[in-house]
Amino acid sequence: GAGVSQSPSNKVTEKGKDVELRCDPISGHTALYWYRQRLGQGLEFLIYFQGNSAPDKSGLPSDRFSAERTGESVSTLTIQRTQQEDSAVYLCASSLRSGGGDGYGYTFGSGTRLTVV
Amino acid sequence: AQSVTQLGSHVSVSEGALVLLRCNYSSSVPPYLFWYVQYPNQGLQLLLKYTSAATLVKGINGFEAEFKKSETSFHLTKPSAHMSDAAEYFCAVSGGDTGRRALTFGSGTRLQVQP
Repeated sequence: GAGVSQSPSNKVTEKGKDVELRCDPISGHTALYWYRQRLGQGLEFLIYFQGNSAPDKSGLPSDRFSAERTGESVSTLTIQRTQQEDSAVYLCASSLRSGGGDGYGYTFGSGTRLTVV
Repeated sequence: AQSVTQLGSHVSVSEGALVLLRCNYSSSVPPYLFWYVQYPNQGLQLLLKYTSAATLVKGINGFEAEFKKSETSFHLTKPSAHMSDAAEYFCAVSGGDTGRRALTFGSGTRLQVQP
């Protein structure tokens, strides 16, 4: 596609429920990243996929968070047993090759605004 | 650990005045450096990047940034602010000491432009 697409754009969920967020990267972009942006704060790295390599999960805040990616296409970020502190905008980005590591910039999606009530 | 620091969470300038947004990184090996802009209710856009070529980097919308190794800085400037420049600006770093491929972002600087 022309850009990085994320769905849903907004999600309100009850505390304790599971949520699944989706990201469609730009076609041909082998690297995909998930970040979290809490209100008024910077971007917090969550996870990074590069082709068929093992993902870099070092930013996932707890075992309630997980992500999958099928080949070099769609990725889903799953949050189990959501808590109020999970409320944030979840941003997905994709890039050619390994993105920042090779000096390529990211293309970001518009994000999913998650509100846990 | 590699990090990036943005001095000043809020900067306010008058229209037509110089814009200076500060960014310092910590790495003994020069990393890749980026500036992103986030306009209200929009996603992040790449403004410019430093990838070890020219130390003065020009980006979109009249912005530029200079990589200064001796100061471990990558400050963003624009000679004359426009109302449309009001946004949040993020400095980001990758590579460097850790060789980390994922970008590490600063906490952001919100730029206000007064008429």
